[in-house]
Amino acid sequence: DAGVIQSPRHEVTEMGQEVTLRCKPISGHDYLFWYRQTMMRGLELLIYFNNNVPIDDSGMPEDRFSAKMPNASFSTLKIQPSEPRDSAVYFCASSPWGVGKAEAFFGQGTRLTVV
Amino acid sequence: DQQVKQNSPSLSVQEGRISILNCDYTNSMFDYFLWYKKYPAEGPTFLISISSIKDKNEDGRFTVFLNKSAKHLSLHIVPSQPGDSAVYFCAAKSDNAGNMLTFGGGTRLMVKP
Repeated sequence: DAGVIQSPRHEVTEMGQEVTLRCKPISGHDYLFWYRQTMMRGLELLIYFNNNVPIDDSGMPEDRFSAKMPNASFSTLKIQPSEPRDSAVYFCASSPWGVGKAEAFFGQGTRLTVV
Repeated sequence: DQQVKQNSPSLSVQEGRISILNCDYTNSMFDYFLWYKKYPAEGPTFLISISSIKDKNEDGRFTVFLNKSAKHLSLHIVPSQPGDSAVYFCAAKSDNAGNMLTFGGGTRLMVKP
């Protein structure tokens, strides 16, 4: 398996524009997570899915953020409209279900810059 | 309210010496702890983990210690190598929160040749 695949790797956009980040989890994994890394807050969980169903979105900062998982092999994180403070690295991760199987596998991240 | 904290943002050690990275947590429901390593421009990669029923887990040069009463865990790297230079994240999960991991803020380790 190629691991968790995220696209794009880099995104530069103007304030007010819509941004869509994409993620393909590892096949067979039941959980998918969206994290954001910033200098101030480290790695913070935005939302996670179990079997394509959103379970906890309490980390989503504002209504401008939304995430979907239409099927087991694809998820999107959308920011509309984007703001400069959304600039960060966004990671997608997936993990299998099972006792003791807590390890999450991360993608390489999308570095978002909003100017 | 940070449930997992890494109070040292950075650590510098000499090659061959021991590196000790610390992590504190507040949620007594956490039952599984993990350490991740992150190089620049890459995603975090899993390094080592420990269940709350244990107090030590060793894997080669890496050992994780858990002190449940103090709600503290540490990662020991010995001997440290320049290739260990990276950001290390501590993470924790509880059974009643699915597979959701709560991360600390990270510690940047620099191993000097």
